[in-house]
Amino acid sequence: KNEVEQSPQNLTAQEGEFITINCSYSVGISALHWLQQHPGGGIVSLFMLSSGKKKHGRLIATINIQEKHSSLHITASHPRDSSVYICAVTGNQFYFGTGTSLTVIP
Amino acid sequence: EPEVTQTPSHQVTQMGQEVILRCVPISNHLYFYWYRQILGQKVEFLVSFYNNEISEKSEIFDDQFSVERPDGSNFTLKIRSTKLEDSAMYFCASSEDRVQGNIQYFGAGTRLSVL
Repeated sequence: KNEVEQSPQNLTAQEGEFITINCSYSVGISALHWLQQHPGGGIVSLFMLSSGKKKHGRLIATINIQEKHSSLHITASHPRDSSVYICAVTGNQFYFGTGTSLTVIP
Repeated sequence: EPEVTQTPSHQVTQMGQEVILRCVPISNHLYFYWYRQILGQKVEFLVSFYNNEISEKSEIFDDQFSVERPDGSNFTLKIRSTKLEDSAMYFCASSEDRVQGNIQYFGAGTRLSVL
């Protein structure tokens, strides 16, 4: 049973495309995290949100608490955005999605 | 920019041995976490630590594991009697607090290989 589901699992895009990664969760949460795992394995936190929307540069994260759904958008995608993007939620415990592997082709 | 430091970057051990993975969280942070990621699988929560005690732990975190903050800067994960299936990347993270609005900062990870 996966408390956090992400889609798609893999995504290939052309440089410049608008990208959306989706995350649905089934547990009660206090916050949702979007993380970026680089090809070398390192993890960087992109966003932590509990309501509404946050924006940082070309990245936008939204959450709908009622629908238990969050999206991560990347505008004007670039090859350096190629990474695995992970959705994780903070509830009674921490639950992670399996990640979305993004490849942006020049 | 402050960062979470983990040592060693790669630890190789024989099955049955004990290992200690070390982490230096960001200095003003109060919450500390350990996660693991088996190769090709998703990240899994192990334990969180606050005020010198475990605040939450997952089913994975059984008697084989223990955490300690032996001094004011280090946060360690001890794995006793290592098994082949303990081979994974172990990530440490820290945050200012656990309440909403405080993101976690991750270390670069320690790759544990149990032979």
